[in-house]
Amino acid sequence: DTGVSQNPRHKITKRGQNVTFRCDPISEHNRLYWYRQTLGQGPEFLTYFQNEAQLEKSRLLSDRFSAERPKGSFSTLEIQRTEQGDSAMYLCASSQETVYNSPLHFGNGTRLTVT
Amino acid sequence: SQQGEEDPQALSIQEGENATMNCSYKTSINNLQWYRQNSGRGLVHLILIRSNEREKHSGRLRVTLDTSKKSSSLLITASRAADTASYFCATVPFGGGGADGLTFGKGTHLIIQP
Repeated sequence: DTGVSQNPRHKITKRGQNVTFRCDPISEHNRLYWYRQTLGQGPEFLTYFQNEAQLEKSRLLSDRFSAERPKGSFSTLEIQRTEQGDSAMYLCASSQETVYNSPLHFGNGTRLTVT
Repeated sequence: SQQGEEDPQALSIQEGENATMNCSYKTSINNLQWYRQNSGRGLVHLILIRSNEREKHSGRLRVTLDTSKKSSSLLITASRAADTASYFCATVPFGGGGADGLTFGKGTHLIIQP
C-alpha cells in the first residue's frame, strides 16, 4: 500500500490557462473521488468514479471542469480557462468499497494558484 | 452545501489536556466519519461510526453519536503536540447511492500548546 499519489504538489498558472492534475489511487481500490478544498473550509465533493465509469459528475463546479479515468487506474482532473476563483487545494481519494462501508484514503493534494 | 458543522471552529489547549470537538448534521445518515488534516496535507481517516452505534474507541480517540440530536463528538484524551491539526466530520446520507462520497463540515482547528 503506497498510498494515494497526486501530481504535481503545487501548480501556479496564469488566468485563462488550462491545467491538468493527476491522481494515482491505491492499486486495489476501484473507487476514486475528487474534492476541492478552499482555505478554512472542508473538502467539497466534485466527482466520483467506479472503475472507469464516472458515476457522479453533476457536482463539478462548471463545464470548465472535467475528469477522466480511462483505464480504471489513474485519473486526471482538468480545468480549462482557469479563473482566480479556481485557486484551491484539489484532493483525490480512493476506496475499495463504497462510503457505506469504507473510509476514504486521501492523497496530499495539488495546490493550485491562479494569478 | 456542507451538512456537518463542527464546533468550536478553533480550540487551543495545553498538552496533556483532553480535547472535545462536536459535529452537528442535518439529515439522516448511514454513517459518520472523522478525519484529521495536518497543514498542507491530505486527510487521514480516524473513526467511522454507523448510525446504529453510539460509541467507538480507537487508542486515545473516543467518538459518540446521538442520532436523535443529529450530533457527534470526538474526544482526544491526553493530547500531544502532534495532535495539532484540523479535524473534520463527514457524513454519508441514509439511502443514497453512495456515489456522492462524503459531505464534510468546515472543521475544528486544534492547537496543542506544549
